[in-house]
Amino acid sequence: NAGVTQTPKFQVLKTGQSMTLQCAQDMNHEYMSWYRQDPGMGLRLIHYSVGAGITDQGEVPNGYNVSRSTTEDFPLRLLSAAPSQTSVYFCASSYFAGQETQYFGPGTRLLVL
Amino acid sequence: GDSVTQMEGPVTLSEEAFLTINCTYTATGYPSLFWYVQYPGEGLQLLLKATKADDKGSNKGFEATYRKETTSFHLEKGSVQVSDSAVYFCALSEDGGSQGNLIFGKGTKLSVKP
Repeated sequence: NAGVTQTPKFQVLKTGQSMTLQCAQDMNHEYMSWYRQDPGMGLRLIHYSVGAGITDQGEVPNGYNVSRSTTEDFPLRLLSAAPSQTSVYFCASSYFAGQETQYFGPGTRLLVL
Repeated sequence: GDSVTQMEGPVTLSEEAFLTINCTYTATGYPSLFWYVQYPGEGLQLLLKATKADDKGSNKGFEATYRKETTSFHLEKGSVQVSDSAVYFCALSEDGGSQGNLIFGKGTKLSVKP
C-alpha cells in the first residue's frame, strides 16, 4: 500500500507556464482533495472530488483546474502559473469526507518565478 | 461560514513540560473535530479526532475533548518530548455527510528543547 503519492516533489516554473501536479491513491477512496499551504495561512481547499467524474470548487479555485476520470487519480492543473501560486500543494483522500480521516500525500513544493 | 481559530505560535517548551494548544471553532451544524500533525518535510497526518460533543480523542499521549458549550477542542499532553516538535493543525469537518470538507486553523509550531 503506497497510500497517497504526489509528483513532482519540487518544481520551478516561469510565469505563464502550465503544468500538472499528479496525485494518486491506492486505497480505493472516493473522496480526494487538493490544498495549498502558505505561511501563516494554514491549509486552504482548492478543489475536491467525491467520486470519479465529480469535482467541485473549494475556497481558492481560481487559476486551477481538476478532473477525476478514475477513482485513483486526481491531477491538479495550473493553466498559466503566477507568482501568487508559489506554495506547497497537498493532495488528500478518504473513503468519504465528513467524519472520515483524510490521508495526505507528502506534498509538492512549487516556485513560480 | 465555519472557521477554526488556534493559538499563534511558535511555542517553545522544555522536554517533559505540559503542553496546551488552544483551538476554538465556529460552526452552524455539528462538525467533527480533528488535530493533524505535520513533522518537518512531511505531509499532514491525523493525530486524533472527536465526532460528537463530550467525546475525547487521544493518541500518543495527546488528548483533546470536544466541548460544545465553549466551542473548543484544546490539545493537551502531560509531558512533551523532543520528537513532538512539529506543526499542529486544528480542523473541523463541515456538517453535511459527503460534502464535509476540512477547514483548518493556521497551525501552531511547537519546538521542544532537550
